[in-house]
Amino acid sequence: SAVISQKPSRDICQRGTSLTIQCQVDSQVTMMFWYRQQPGQSLTLIATANQGSEATYESGFVIDKFPISRPNLTFSTLTVSNMSPEDSSIYLCSVDAGQALMNTEAFFGQGTRLTVV
Amino acid sequence: RKEVEQDPGPFNVPEGATVAFNCTYSNSASQSFFWYRQDCRKEPKLLMSVYSSGNEDGRFTAQLNRASQYISLLIRDSKLSDSATYLCVVKDTGRRALTFGSGTRLQVQP
Repeated sequence: SAVISQKPSRDICQRGTSLTIQCQVDSQVTMMFWYRQQPGQSLTLIATANQGSEATYESGFVIDKFPISRPNLTFSTLTVSNMSPEDSSIYLCSVDAGQALMNTEAFFGQGTRLTVV
Repeated sequence: RKEVEQDPGPFNVPEGATVAFNCTYSNSASQSFFWYRQDCRKEPKLLMSVYSSGNEDGRFTAQLNRASQYISLLIRDSKLSDSATYLCVVKDTGRRALTFGSGTRLQVQP
């Protein structure tokens, strides 16, 4: 299993500002994933954070808006830049349980509930 | 078309009822299948993996039909504590990230 500490748990931000979300894992993991869950919706993958290389972004998400850092195998940050009310959402980080590709459980941080005003 | 589609819900059932959730996925290359549970204002947590032969965990039974690209979850003898959103989740070949359905909300009533 993996224990993930994510912070902040919530924040209210002014439009035009940026917020950095941190995730700390209690074990070394190759990949970390960042998801967004908009109100009343399911989770959508933003990007995959790889240690030692650039993050891989999904369609509709770009590095300038959601820069990601992955300085080591236990930590990652996601920044939501130049925020607008449309960025109000829950942001979650996630890791796989193990090294196997299939049928491995994913663990999630507690989420960051962001409100942009 | 969404990659993973679920019954929209909400399902309102009395305690002790049996309830079934359905899910279809569009990518025939999907290799791993899961049901996750998400309580209100909480992160998703794994309920159970879904195997080709079908599998059971206590009151929960999951089925997979690869030919129809269909997944189901059956909950027997519903408890109040089963009230949550149930997310159908797939993992595609070569990807470690997950693709989520929109979720089905279950409310078990006394």
